[in-house]
Amino acid sequence: GNSVTQMEGPVTLSEEAFLTINCTYTATGYPSLFWYVQYPGEGLQLLLKATKADDKGSNKGFEATYRKETTSFHLEKGSVQVSDSAVYFCALSSSGGYQKVTFGTGTKLQVIP
Amino acid sequence: GAVVSQHPSWVICKSGTSVKIECRSLDFQATTMFWYRQFPKQSLMLMATSNEGSKATYEQGVEKDKFLINHASLTLSTLTVTSAHPEDSSFYICSARGLAGGPYNEQFFGPGTRLTVL
Repeated sequence: GNSVTQMEGPVTLSEEAFLTINCTYTATGYPSLFWYVQYPGEGLQLLLKATKADDKGSNKGFEATYRKETTSFHLEKGSVQVSDSAVYFCALSSSGGYQKVTFGTGTKLQVIP
Repeated sequence: GAVVSQHPSWVICKSGTSVKIECRSLDFQATTMFWYRQFPKQSLMLMATSNEGSKATYEQGVEKDKFLINHASLTLSTLTVTSAHPEDSSFYICSARGLAGGPYNEQFFGPGTRLTVL
């Protein structure tokens, strides 16, 4: 079955530091890959997505590239801000989000001034 | 576009009572809605998938008699936690999806409902 593995947190960074959150997946076929963000006390928001190999999703300075050869979808940001503090979930769906979305366990990011 | 709301955003109830949570798609018709549960510091687990006008499909291990799901219209699904107990305390999140091939054919998530059972 499908599964997503992402690095355990929490991750604590100083403002303007470089961020990488690793995510690898196991799936049949060619899944779509997502990063969701959950701010404290709120629900999930789609941060970015990629639907095929070598696609790069990007939003709000965050980027992730769909690497089929390494089954990875690592999240990166060049310079984090305090407002980026949240929990980040890597996820996949075998049908572009149409059917069941499988989530990783989430990585909590804390950015300190 | 593609806004999904949940009501209430938080609820506290006594053990043994039932609680209803609403999930609404505000600006599109949701042919399918999904209900997830999130335990503290853990990921979201899919509980069930409901299609408008038909019975929900529950994931393995989810008690259908305890978590009643109704999807009576294209914009509303409800989750009723019956005879709630403290172990049902959790964060419940719904998502909604439109017609296949249309502009809303992916899951859009609601803000979640925090349930605390005393």
